[in-house]
Amino acid sequence: DTAVSQTPKYLVTQMGNDKSIKCEQNLGHDTMYWYKQDSKKFLKIMFSYNNKELIINETVPNRFSPKSPDKAHLNLHINSLELGDSAVYFCASSQDIAGGSEQYFGPGTRLTVT
Amino acid sequence: LAKTTQPISMDSYEGQEVNITCSHNNIATNDYITWYQQFPSQGPRFIIQGYKTKVTNEVASLFIPADRKSSTLSLPRVSLSDTAVYYCLVGDNYGGATNKLIFGTGTLLAVQP
Repeated sequence: DTAVSQTPKYLVTQMGNDKSIKCEQNLGHDTMYWYKQDSKKFLKIMFSYNNKELIINETVPNRFSPKSPDKAHLNLHINSLELGDSAVYFCASSQDIAGGSEQYFGPGTRLTVT
Repeated sequence: LAKTTQPISMDSYEGQEVNITCSHNNIATNDYITWYQQFPSQGPRFIIQGYKTKVTNEVASLFIPADRKSSTLSLPRVSLSDTAVYYCLVGDNYGGATNKLIFGTGTLLAVQP
């Protein structure tokens, strides 16, 4: 059983398009996250979502919007895609948002914008 | 923000002990120190976590000095399968401070036969 799953695994699209990445966790966790990993392998947190409270990293453009239909899902919508959005996006979850909760990561979605 | 610094890469041989150090001079009182392992084309995987002193589990040890400005991940008797990128994460996502979760730049550990 996959604890944290993401779809699609690969996504190739053109500049200006709108796309979504889906994430689901079956661990019963209360908190979910989205991370971006660039070509230099830097991992940067984009959002966390806990009990319907969204915590946004202020450096993330508002073209990126997370949507959580329920506690087990946190989807990432990206509008007006740009070349610089090309990266691997990881979804993660943790039991709660308390300090230092272990995070479980999904397999990643490689987004390529042409 | 507790910025972290790690060596970019390290080389080792099978059977050796490997120590990877992460510097986090601005660590805050509430911050935990967590280490993750990442293989190519996979998401990071939790290895170990600590707040102070020493923590040991079945795969690694984590040494944290009293001032907590650095931490050292120790991998005993590495094997080829330990070749991966190791990330140090410092932060406290409690109380809405998620944007303060800072991953280090990662250390690529290459284990040779």
